[in-house]
Amino acid sequence: DGGITQSPKYLFRKEGQNVTLSCEQNLNHDAMYWYRQDPGQGLRLIYYSQIVNDFQKGDIAEGYSVSREKKESFPLTVTSAQKNPTAFYLCASSLGQAAYEQYFGPGTRLTVT
Amino acid sequence: GNSVTQMEGPVTLSEEAFLTINCTYTATGYPSLFWYVQYPGEGLQLLLKATKADDKGSNKGFEATYRKETTSFHLEKGSVQVSDSAVYFCALKPGAGSYQLTFGKGTKLSVIP
Repeated sequence: DGGITQSPKYLFRKEGQNVTLSCEQNLNHDAMYWYRQDPGQGLRLIYYSQIVNDFQKGDIAEGYSVSREKKESFPLTVTSAQKNPTAFYLCASSLGQAAYEQYFGPGTRLTVT
Repeated sequence: GNSVTQMEGPVTLSEEAFLTINCTYTATGYPSLFWYVQYPGEGLQLLLKATKADDKGSNKGFEATYRKETTSFHLEKGSVQVSDSAVYFCALKPGAGSYQLTFGKGTKLSVIP
């Protein structure tokens, strides 16, 4: 079955540690995205990538980093510089510029204490 | 800039009741409009979409019509079921050349038997 996988579903870290969230897709999509979801806040775009080895900052990129070395993978690192990292993180993908739909993974809930 | 405003929840309805969730938007140009649904603990699923004025998107008994004159995209369903309990997000995409989705804050719907 084609889809987007995110792992792990729940992640716990101590303050000051970097943590990397995994996102893999087998839909052969060119574009991939990372969103952050906070209660009552909707979704906010962190980073997106249109093609391999290229990515752009979204609305709230500070304290985050990404890489896109393979078409199917778009990992997100939450660095210690992110002031309030506890949130639900969603990865998405789409065919490309001409496509409208973004398909979402199941999400990773990160808790930093 | 672009923005989406949804009616605040939570919304609680009895089974078989009529549902309306209001959504209005601000955007330049001719955006595409979407409704996404998020079931508890899961990622987002595309529910329906409309890409130009007067288009009606429909899926699983839900409908929404793209009204450019009122900048609205209200979600409706004639008879809700308990299984429709979820959070509903309205979103816009500014144009074919844009990758970025702008989301509303979400409306939580609870349907009771």
